[in-house]
Amino acid sequence: DIQMTQSPSSLSASVGDRVTITCRASQGIRNYVAWFQQKPGKPPQSLMYAASSLLSGVPSKFSGKGSGTDFTLTISSLQPEDFGTYYCQQYHSFPWTFGPGTKVEIE
Amino acid sequence: QVQLQESGPGLVKPSETLSLTCTLSGASVTSGSYYWSWIRQAPGKELEWIGYIHKSGSTNYNPSLKSRVTILIETSMNQFSLKVTSVTAADTAIYYCTRSRPYCSDGSCDWYFFDYWGQGTLVTVPS
Repeated sequence: DIQMTQSPSSLSASVGDRVTITCRASQGIRNYVAWFQQKPGKPPQSLMYAASSLLSGVPSKFSGKGSGTDFTLTISSLQPEDFGTYYCQQYHSFPWTFGPGTKVEIE
Repeated sequence: QVQLQESGPGLVKPSETLSLTCTLSGASVTSGSYYWSWIRQAPGKELEWIGYIHKSGSTNYNPSLKSRVTILIETSMNQFSLKVTSVTAADTAIYYCTRSRPYCSDGSCDWYFFDYWGQGTLVTVPS
């Protein structure tokens, strides 16, 4: 199985800050990475696919990049509604696997 | 707007079979070329993909659960279902049903990413 790791495991930032989350795959997965946001008690919400393509309705403050094994999700200007846990996921190979998540808190 | 809704018992006894249904609205399980998946999230643990089914009936399961899992599609009801046999406390989790749509690259559309999720349903297996 392809292992997905994320760093940091948690972060606290202020409104307006630029925040970057890193995701690393245990082997090359081209750009077959998706990102999700999950708030407490809610299901994950799909944000992005193909490492950098936003799903419809997702604000442009979210951006992604990467290819191969290293990927990043950036929130350009953190807002109070951006709190939650962010997960990366690879869909390059079966079984599809997720990262452990990065918890984002607002200072 | 595509919506998925999980339903089923919230409590399952050890060694019994967990059965959940996902009902789709705003779309048909037979339209397009989508994969319909189940994913679970145990308390404090990572998301785990369980498996998917295609409208053709073809399935793909996570090897970690393959021997105990069956996913079926019921086109007349616009539903798909999950069965997990011989459950233990380790199967306690929130179970989500999801849709995956194809991603095309280099002339092939063999990759799928999740776009819609159900609200999830908690299933508890007491120890």
